[in-house]
Amino acid sequence: DGGITQSPKYLFRKEGQNVTLSCEQNLNHDAMYWYRQDPGQGLRLIYYSQIVNDFQKGDIAEGYSVSREKKESFPLTVTSAQKNPTAFYLCASSTNRGGSYNEQFFGPGTRLTVL
Amino acid sequence: AQKVTQAQTEISVVEKEDVTLDCVYETRDTTYYLFWYKQPPSGELVFLIRRNSFDEQNEISGRYSWNFQKSTSSFNFTITASQVVDSAVYFCALSEAHGGGGSQGNLIFGKGTKLSVKP
Repeated sequence: DGGITQSPKYLFRKEGQNVTLSCEQNLNHDAMYWYRQDPGQGLRLIYYSQIVNDFQKGDIAEGYSVSREKKESFPLTVTSAQKNPTAFYLCASSTNRGGSYNEQFFGPGTRLTVL
Repeated sequence: AQKVTQAQTEISVVEKEDVTLDCVYETRDTTYYLFWYKQPPSGELVFLIRRNSFDEQNEISGRYSWNFQKSTSSFNFTITASQVVDSAVYFCALSEAHGGGGSQGNLIFGKGTKLSVKP
């Protein structure tokens, strides 16, 4: 089945550690996105990539890094520089054809907790 | 500046009641798209509908209907005869056709409305 997978579903991290969240899609979509969701806050854009080997900062990129070496994969690293990383992280993808017309498809999310 | 406001943080209704979720948006772009997503307790966002700025026709899909009014910059969502399975957080989102810096296609989300439907 086509879709987006995120792993792990739950992740615990000690303060000061970097951690990488996985996002894979088999929808043949060009664009991929990472969002952070905090309680009562809606979704905020961390990074996005509209094509392989290219990515852009979103609204809250500080303390995060990404790579886009393959079309199917868009991993997110939460670094120790991120001051408050405990949150729910959602990955999404969309086809670039039609630009802003296209809906984004979302993965099941990863809940990160810093101990 | 672009913005989406969902003023209702939480709504609680009894099954079979009708409920309307409000969404007000701000944009300077003349071409834009509005979306509604549903987030059930499992966490994954599910796409419900897309509307473009040139199409103000209301839309109905089963128990769901959407009312788009450019004059008031609103895109409200009504669930008729609500069911327990409708319990979720609902997000309204905006995408601008001419977003700067290559941001076309990026979604601007409201903070969501949590709907609880009790039996």
